[in-house]
Amino acid sequence: TQLLEQSPQFLSIQEGENLTVYCNSSSVFSSLQWYRQEPGEGPVLLVTVVTGGEVKKLKRLTFQFGDARKDSSLHITAAQPGDTGLYLCAGARASGTYKYIFGTGTRLKVLA
Amino acid sequence: GAVVSQHPSRVICKSGTSVKIECRSLDFQATTMFWYRQFPKQSLMLMATSNEGSKATYEQGVEKDKFLINHASLTLSTLTVTSAHPEDSSFYICSAPGPAGFYEQYFGPGTRLTVT
Repeated sequence: TQLLEQSPQFLSIQEGENLTVYCNSSSVFSSLQWYRQEPGEGPVLLVTVVTGGEVKKLKRLTFQFGDARKDSSLHITAAQPGDTGLYLCAGARASGTYKYIFGTGTRLKVLA
Repeated sequence: GAVVSQHPSRVICKSGTSVKIECRSLDFQATTMFWYRQFPKQSLMLMATSNEGSKATYEQGVEKDKFLINHASLTLSTLTVTSAHPEDSSFYICSAPGPAGFYEQYFGPGTRLTVT
């Protein structure tokens, strides 16, 4: 069962455009992480959000955790070709064994 | 940041043989590690949680006897794919919580398994 749905699944945009990726669930998470993954490599952590309503910025990337801690968004301003990759959200449910469940993924391609 | 390594990075084996994949935390200790499987162009699927000194916890639908996990030390977890079949071909990735705890996870570079 996939608990975290990401949208869109695929996104191809021109350099300089803005975009938003959504990560939605009906479940509450104690924390949520965003990763970027390059082909043939492991995911790299971008950010962790913990508090409902929390907003974090990482250069041109803005992450928001929903007030109810069920959803999150990633906004990229002025996308660059180097932003190309697979973006994954992962939610942690601290019930029993602490573990992260990954979202369905958003594949982003930024064209020069 | 914390570094997690995996070995081998790529392995090709014949159907019916077993393959062992190692996951090491290089500069920190990890009492817990996670094993994921990723199919082409898909997201990561959690297979099991590896616990140092105790049995692994498997996710629903993952065969314990098929995917043997051993966490013998605070820096090493191994995943053995027993009697591998072509459908076991996949990208296997491990991760470990960093020194700051479960709010940060560090992933290994992954192991590409191909069963012929």
